Amino acid sequence: GQSLEQPSEVTAVEGAIVQINCTYQTSGFYGLSWYQQHDGGAPTFLSYNGLDGLEETGRFSSFLSRSDSYGYLLLQELQMKDSASYFCAVIRFSGGYNKLIFGAGTRLAVHP
Amino acid sequence: DGGITQSPKYLFRKEGQNVTLSCEQNLNHDAMYWYRQDPGQGLRLIYYSQIVNDFQKGDIAEGYSVSREKKESFPLTVTSAQKNPTAFYLCASTKDRANLYGYTFGSGTRLTVV
Repeated sequence: GQSLEQPSEVTAVEGAIVQINCTYQTSGFYGLSWYQQHDGGAPTFLSYNGLDGLEETGRFSSFLSRSDSYGYLLLQELQMKDSASYFCAVIRFSGGYNKLIFGAGTRLAVHP
Repeated sequence: DGGITQSPKYLFRKEGQNVTLSCEQNLNHDAMYWYRQDPGQGLRLIYYSQIVNDFQKGDIAEGYSVSREKKESFPLTVTSAQKNPTAFYLCASTKDRANLYGYTFGSGTRLTVV
């Protein structure tokens, strides 16, 4: 089977740093992606990790450890507009096709 | 500007009816996907297609059907066999098979059974 685990909710204040963890179990693992979704909107792509290590994109960074089946999204200098749901998603190759399997999402609330 | 267009934005269906959700992309992407999202939950894969005239069942394909006659279009039909169709439906596409550039999503169709 396959599974992704991430916390359901996280709360932080403006200007702070928050880390959202994701652990996964799946066959055919190819990489880990992160998406942001505001209420009622479409998910938007934030980052991709195919190899172990840290990827940095502005205020957001994402990390992957393939040996630990673990990754995280790090959000720095939090702003009110960062309040949204964040999904980790495993890219899985199976039968010659690639699929993106999403976790249940972490709802981030940023307070003044 | 390139993107994915889903229509309609809101759709109401009577019990026992089939409805078709439209998804069109002008990104020249080969792969297209349909996801379903229920309130407070993640996205679940319904169907996906890597090339024209080929598609595969995802994790929750029962009660749904798709076609891929053109590269740009990937319509989803919600049939009367789908027991709980009320949900937010999202169409996505990706530039390459490895998904290195991430999925691009449409703005979604919110389907309600009345």
